Order: sequence, then C-alpha cells, then structure tokens
Amino acid sequence: EVQLVESGGGLIQPGGSVRLSCAGSGLRVTTSYMNWVRQAPGKGLEWVSVIYSGGSTVYADSVKGRFTVSRDTSKNTVFLQMNSLRVEDTAVYYCARAPYNESSAFYQWGQGTLVTVSS
Amino acid sequence: SYELTQSPSVSVSPGQTARITCSGDALPKQYAYWYQQKPGQAPALIIYKDSERPSGIPERFSGSSSGTTVTLTISGVQAEDEADYYCKSADSSGLHYVFGTGTKVTVL
Repeated sequence: EVQLVESGGGLIQPGGSVRLSCAGSGLRVTTSYMNWVRQAPGKGLEWVSVIYSGGSTVYADSVKGRFTVSRDTSKNTVFLQMNSLRVEDTAVYYCARAPYNESSAFYQWGQGTLVTVSS
Repeated sequence: SYELTQSPSVSVSPGQTARITCSGDALPKQYAYWYQQKPGQAPALIIYKDSERPSGIPERFSGSSSGTTVTLTISGVQAEDEADYYCKSADSSGLHYVFGTGTKVTVL
C-alpha cells in the first residue's frame, strides 16, 4: 500500500524559509511523478510543483524562483524548499503521487502539512 | 494564466443525478481529472483521462468530455457523496497543472 507522510510545516515569518518533506512508502520516487498541491484556508486547490521520475522539475508561476523541489531517492523522500515566503503562501501543503504510466493522475495523497506565514 | 471554471454549487436530492461541469480552452487537447474532497480530508482521485474510473470508485461516478467542457456525473447520489469536487487539467504547454474553482455538492 502506498503511503505519503508530509512534515515540516509551522509558523513562519514573512520573508522566511521552510523545508517540507514527503516520505513515501510502498512506492519508488524514481518511478513516480511527485507533486505538491496547496490549499489556502477555506479556498480551492492549487498545483505548486512536480518532480518527474527522471528528476526534472516544473513550478507554478506563483512560486517559481522561490520554491525548489528535490528528492532523496535512497529515502524515497521528496522535499519542497520554500524561500521568500509571503502571507499568501499560507496553506495546507499536500504531496500527491502519480505513477509513471499515468503521470497526470494523482492517485495517492498525503494528509497535508500546514504552513502559516504571519508576523 | 490558464483557468478552469466550475459552477460554485450543486444541490441534489438522494437518488437523483448531479452534473458538474468544468470549462477551459485547452480541454479539447488535454485530459481532465476529477477529485473529491470531503471536509478535513485530502482529495481523492475519482476520474482520470476524462472518463476512466480508478479501481474502487463506485460506478455511479462517470466522466465525459465535449469540446471545451468536461462533465462529472453522479448518478443515484448518496448522502456520502456530499463533498467538494475539483476538475484538473494541464495548460496548452502540457507542463503546468491547473485545478478548477471547485464545486460544492450538497445532498438535500
């Protein structure tokens, strides 16, 4: 069974940084497309970024240049480094996995981790 | 930036049919995906590639596509189907995903 567990959220001051982790079990990140999706309080879903099975990355325009996604294949873990945080980055951050053969279908999701950007 | 537009809410009685639409200019060329989100829970995939249903998803959920609009149909709605529903697709480049604005389904 595939499981994803996010961690690293918390209260961050504007302009600060935080690194989120998404630990996967029952899967290999090298054969998965690992996405980050966020949801501001009371709002809809927003796709943030993806790291492909081969390691290349794509970002939403709203975070490009501020966020960086990476992975540790030995630990089956994906990271989201978030810099220059803004109040509008406040959200629950989910990692979501798509298998290599259905790269756009987010079959599995973590429980989410809350990032609050506030002074 | 690319947008997918959904109607904000749908109300339906148990046993009736709910239809949720999602409109976007790139939908003729990009597949659509549908997710169900219940309060306090992570989203769950219920339709992929416009009309395919993952294993374990009830047959009452179906998807269709026509031009710039895709539709999620819930036939014989049950109380447990009360949730927010989001469509998702890619922009014309195929690189960036976009979620629809979301539709709240209320079972009367």
